[in-house]
Amino acid sequence: QQQVKQSPQSLIVQKGGISIINCAYENTAFDYFPWYQQFPGKGPALLIAIRPDVSEKKEGRFTISFNKSAKQFSLHIMDSQPGDSATYFCAASYTGRRALTFGSGTRLQVQP
Amino acid sequence: ETGVTQTPRHLVMGMTNKKSLKCEQHLGHNAMYWYKQSAKKPLELMFVYSLEERVENNSVPSRFSPECPNSSHLFLHLHTLQPEDSALYLCASSLSSGNTGELFFGEGSRLTVL
Repeated sequence: QQQVKQSPQSLIVQKGGISIINCAYENTAFDYFPWYQQFPGKGPALLIAIRPDVSEKKEGRFTISFNKSAKQFSLHIMDSQPGDSATYFCAASYTGRRALTFGSGTRLQVQP
Repeated sequence: ETGVTQTPRHLVMGMTNKKSLKCEQHLGHNAMYWYKQSAKKPLELMFVYSLEERVENNSVPSRFSPECPNSSHLFLHLHTLQPEDSALYLCASSLSSGNTGELFFGEGSRLTVL
């Protein structure tokens, strides 16, 4: 119930392409869904987050799409750049709990 | 520059050693966390402290012992570890005001148990 399943495990995209990473959850109490970005040798950092009262949130080239009925959410990176090459983690939490439950991560490589 | 500092960055220890990992946050937060990061696995929550009180403990073996003496410092004391405990240990902090808090992570302590 606490798990967040993330796919794919790794992704290779050409520069300028669209990167799509998917996550699914079971716990319907989850009401906060962030994405974190981690570069080698660094800790994860918040990229973008969404709550279930909206179906989409966009910040620059990054968009979260949220499907409450399917219990799925995804990260779309438009016009992917080599500097986007990193590991991306989806996560989830619920009101009253401070910690996040993370997915297993997706290693993205954007080729020039 | 990260507001969460972890030391040491790398640690190699034998199974009978006792060592400690240290985390310090300069962000004025009052919740702190330990996560374990292993290859191809989700970040595993170990401990959560809020206002220096442990509020979550995820069935972590007793060979890991956390300590939070104040809201700026968090330690993870290590004793009689196993090779499978080799991983990156990440400390994070957040504002303790509900579940909206963004986690701010340190760069981690890479632990190798021989």
